[in-house]
Amino acid sequence: NAGVTQTPKFQVLKTGQSMTLQCAQDMNHNSMYWYRQDPGMGLRLIYYSASEGTTDKGEVPNGYNVSRLNKREFSLRLESAAPSQTSVYFCASSEASGRGRREYYNEQFFGPGTRLTVL
Amino acid sequence: QKEVEQNSGPLSVPEGAIASLNCTYSDRGSQSFFWYRQYSGKSPELIMSIYSNGDKEDGRFTAQLNKASQYVSLLIRDSQPSDSATYLCAVKGYSTLTFGKGTMLLVSP
Repeated sequence: NAGVTQTPKFQVLKTGQSMTLQCAQDMNHNSMYWYRQDPGMGLRLIYYSASEGTTDKGEVPNGYNVSRLNKREFSLRLESAAPSQTSVYFCASSEASGRGRREYYNEQFFGPGTRLTVL
Repeated sequence: QKEVEQNSGPLSVPEGAIASLNCTYSDRGSQSFFWYRQYSGKSPELIMSIYSNGDKEDGRFTAQLNKASQYVSLLIRDSQPSDSATYLCAVKGYSTLTFGKGTMLLVSP
């Protein structure tokens, strides 16, 4: 099992360009998440998908859109990149996101990350 | 705004010592608590989960939870240089995790 995979690993964009970050998981998880991590700011949730067909905003959604393509895949799109979106982006998945019968449902597992620079 | 607070460190300990990492949280209704380890340039890796008051041990790691004090801690016994990393505390609300900014641990040989 590969777990959570992300592409690309690195990307450099110019201001105003668009791109899509891809994420896939093979753990049959229902919930998926996109985070960004910046020095001194910690991990911040951008968007999440509690289950296939649903998406919700997290703490910092402005400038991003997401698509839950199917149960396995969850993509993050930057329509018009800005230097403030320079960051490391992590995708994560968990068996569930709400209150479940078993506590481990909410354990999140992370992909390797995408390092994005916007010039 | 739900908050998770950690001392940023670095926390420096000699090899073989016990490292103690602490975390406080603001949401009294939180039910699930997690510790992640993150090496420089890598992604967070789940190392411990704890859901009930008290201690939970896994190898050299012990997680401690005190819901009344809204306090979670991670003890690392017999610390090794390979334990040098940033440790992230995460607390679950209804649907999502809130992460602390992490404590950097440095274990010197």
